Amino acid sequence: AQKITQTQPGMFVQEKEAVTLDCTYDTSDPSYGLFWYKQPSSGEMIFLIYQGSYDQQNATEGRYSLNFQKARKSANLVISASQLGDSAMYFCAMIQGGSEKLVFGKGMKLTVNP
Amino acid sequence: DTGVSQDPRHKITKRGQNVTFRCDPISEHNRLYWYRQTLGQGPEFLTYFQNEAQLEKSRLLSDRFSAERPKGSFSTLEIQRTEQGDSAMYLCASRGGWRDWTTDTQYFGPGTRLTVL
Repeated sequence: AQKITQTQPGMFVQEKEAVTLDCTYDTSDPSYGLFWYKQPSSGEMIFLIYQGSYDQQNATEGRYSLNFQKARKSANLVISASQLGDSAMYFCAMIQGGSEKLVFGKGMKLTVNP
Repeated sequence: DTGVSQDPRHKITKRGQNVTFRCDPISEHNRLYWYRQTLGQGPEFLTYFQNEAQLEKSRLLSDRFSAERPKGSFSTLEIQRTEQGDSAMYLCASRGGWRDWTTDTQYFGPGTRLTVL
C-alpha cells in the first residue's frame, strides 16, 4: 500500500532564508509520481511541483525544487528565499501506477517570519 | 481559464438531513475528483470520474454518499442522513487528462466546508 509520511508538524523560518520540508514515501510500484501542494488559510490546494519516479533530474519550479532521493524514498521540498506569503500548510502527495488517486501526507505548517 | 468552482462554500446542517454539493471543473477537463479533508489531516480520496463514468471509488464512500457527473461537466456529491462525523472540507479537483503530470495536474477548487450539528 502506498503511504506518505510528513513528520515535521511545523517549522519557522526567517524571510529570505531557504527551508526544506521533509517527505518520505512508501510504495512497491516502480511507476509513481510525487507532488507538493500548498494550502493557505483560505483552504484552496495549490499545486507547486511534480516529480516522476523515472525522472533523472530533480524537478524545479521557480523558487521550489524537489530533492528526490529514490533509494531513500524521500522527496523533500526546498523553498529558496522564503517570502511572507509562503506561510501555509504544505502537503506531500503521491500517485501510483495507472491510478488517478492522490494519496496525501498529514501536512506540515510553515511560518515565515519578517 | 477560470478555476474549479464549488458551491456552496459553507454548509451547516442538522444530523440526519441530506446535503448536496456542486463542483464545476475547469472547462474541457475530462477528469474530476472528490476528496474529503478533516481537521489536521491531508485530503482523502473519495471518487473519480472520467467524463460521465465513475471509474474509482474509495471505501470511504459509504452507502450514504453518492456522486454523479451526468453530462461529463459539473458534478454533484450528495450525503444522505448526515452524521457528525461527516463534518469536513469537501474538495473537488479536475484535470485535463491529455498531458503528462508535470503540466496537467489535479487543480483543486476552494472546497465546501460542511458542519453537521
